[in-house]
Formats: sequence, C-alpha cells, structure tokens
Amino acid sequence: GAGVSQTPSNKVTEKGKYVELRCDPISGHTALYWYRQSLGQGPEFLIYFQGTGAADDSGLPNDRFFAVRPEGSVSTLKIQRTERGDSAVYLCASTDRDGDVTSGYTFGSGTRLTVV
Amino acid sequence: AQSVTQPDIHITVSEGASLELRCNYSYGATPYLFWYVQSPGQGLQLLLKYFSGDTLVQGIKGFEAEFKRSQSSFNLRKPSVHWSDAAEYFCAVRQGAGNNRKLIWGLGTSLAVNP
Repeated sequence: GAGVSQTPSNKVTEKGKYVELRCDPISGHTALYWYRQSLGQGPEFLIYFQGTGAADDSGLPNDRFFAVRPEGSVSTLKIQRTERGDSAVYLCASTDRDGDVTSGYTFGSGTRLTVV
Repeated sequence: AQSVTQPDIHITVSEGASLELRCNYSYGATPYLFWYVQSPGQGLQLLLKYFSGDTLVQGIKGFEAEFKRSQSSFNLRKPSVHWSDAAEYFCAVRQGAGNNRKLIWGLGTSLAVNP
C-alpha cells in the first residue's frame, strides 16, 4: 500500500481480555517495527522484524506480549490478559532493508488501546 | 545504555520568531540521529536525520539540525516559525551499526506558536 496501515485505529477492551493489533506495512518493505507510546512519553521500542523473523524482541515488556509476521508482510501484535497499564498508542513502522538510515521509518497512525 | 534528553518539555514562540529545540544523547560511538514531528491526530513524520558527513543537515519544512560531537547534541533549528509548526517534536538515536535497529527516543518537546 501507499502507507503503513494500522487497524483498528481505536480499541477499547476490558481488563483480562485478549487483543490483536494489525499492521500492514508499505509493500516491499522488509523491516517492520512495533513501538508503544504512552501519554506524554516518547515511543518505546517493542520488537523489530526483518522478513518473517523477529530480529530483536528485547522491548516486549513480558510474556503477555507476542508478535508475528508469518509471511514477511502483515504483522500482528498480540496482547494476552490485558492490564490497564497496557493502555497506550501502539505504533507500527516499516522500512526497506536499510531504509531506517537512508529515509527513516514510515509510521502508521497507530492503534489507541484503552483497557478499562 | 543509550539515552536521549530533550530538556525542554514545552516551548512557546511567536510566529516568525526563530526556534531551537535541544537534544542531547548518550552513546559511545557515532550515533544515527533523527528528528521526528508528531501533529495532533497524525503519525510521526521524519524531519531530518544524521549519520555521517556534513554535521549540518537540512530537512523538510525549513528545519535544520547540527550534530556536535563535543557536546553530544543534535539541536533542531528553524529561522522563522509558522503557526502550522505547532506540534510535538521528538529526537531519537539509533545505534550506528550492526543489527540493532531500535530507536531510543526523547520525551519530546511540545511547541506552541503564538500568532
């Protein structure tokens, strides 16, 4: 697609529920990143994919968080047993292989997750 | 560990005035540095980046930034601010080489522009 698409744009869920957040990167971009931005904060790295594999998942806060990218394109961030502290805007970005240096990340508009 | 400090949480300038947003980083080698802008309801947009070469880099929307290794700084400047520049500005650093692609971000500086 023309840009990075994230769905849904807003998600309200009850504490303890499971949620999936979807990211559709720019066509042909091999690298995909997930960040989380809490109110008044800068984005916080979660995980980075190069192709289908997670090259760096050191930012995932605990084992309730998991992300996949089975075909090297669309990625899904999965959060189990959601907690109120998970409320944030979840940002996805993509680049071509070295594009984060040559042209920077292209970010989606984010999914605002609210856990009530 | 790498870190990014944006000392000014909020800045207000008058339209037409000059602007400088400060960014200091902590990283041992030459970093890759970025400035992004985030407008209300919009995604993050890259303003400019530095990873080698000329230490004064030009970006979009009339912005520029200067990398100063001796001061570990990468301050963003604009000679004449427009009302449409009101937004949140983030400085970020990436480890310069290798497979570590994550960006470390500052807390951001919120810019308000008075007419």
